Amino acid sequence: QVQLQESGPGLVKPSGTLSLTCAVSGGSISNNKWWTWVRQAPGKGLEWIGEIYHSGTTNYNPSLNSRVTISVDKSKNQFSLKLSSVTAADTAVYFCANQVTIFAGAFDIWGQGTMVTVSS
Amino acid sequence: EIVMTQSPATLSVSPGERATLSCRASQSVSSNLAWYQQKPGRAPRLLIYDASTRATGIPARFSGSGSGTEFTLTISSLQSEDFAVYYCQQYNNWLRTFGQGTKVEIK
Repeated sequence: QVQLQESGPGLVKPSGTLSLTCAVSGGSISNNKWWTWVRQAPGKGLEWIGEIYHSGTTNYNPSLNSRVTISVDKSKNQFSLKLSSVTAADTAVYFCANQVTIFAGAFDIWGQGTMVTVSS
Repeated sequence: EIVMTQSPATLSVSPGERATLSCRASQSVSSNLAWYQQKPGRAPRLLIYDASTRATGIPARFSGSGSGTEFTLTISSLQSEDFAVYYCQQYNNWLRTFGQGTKVEIK
């Protein structure tokens, strides 16, 4: 059973870059499913950030497009998120997730989430 | 962007009663729709995908229906552990979008 674990700094300064990693265990990152980042601001709903395939192909939410980079490291079986020029509006719990099947873009495997606060 | 609208925002239900949650898409998403349950401090839990397929381990009291732009999640007999926030999500478009959520609370 695949498990996901997010890691990274819990505090980022305004205008800085948020960097998170999602470690994949119990399976291969080359499982032909898309790997996804989702975030949730305090007391708010879920926002899809973007996704990556093991080949490196990415899709990003246009609302964040110019600031987001998602990458994959197959040798470490992990994928990463970078969000640049952060503001307080980027304060959120960040989740990584994986698809339920190769055909359905619903997410059945989630990390526990990591809280990132943007503050000086 | 496909906008997903859920109703009601809050649903007050007594244990043992049926709960019906709605989700509307701003354009057709075919059957490419999922439902999630989220409890405070926890990651979302996938309940339903492809509009009506229960995810692994999900009790039969959860059922999904609909296609196109109108979808429903039904919880046939609410248990204490079902009080939570529920989100719908479309994946017909590469830009995945979620509804704003429906909170199911104890009446």
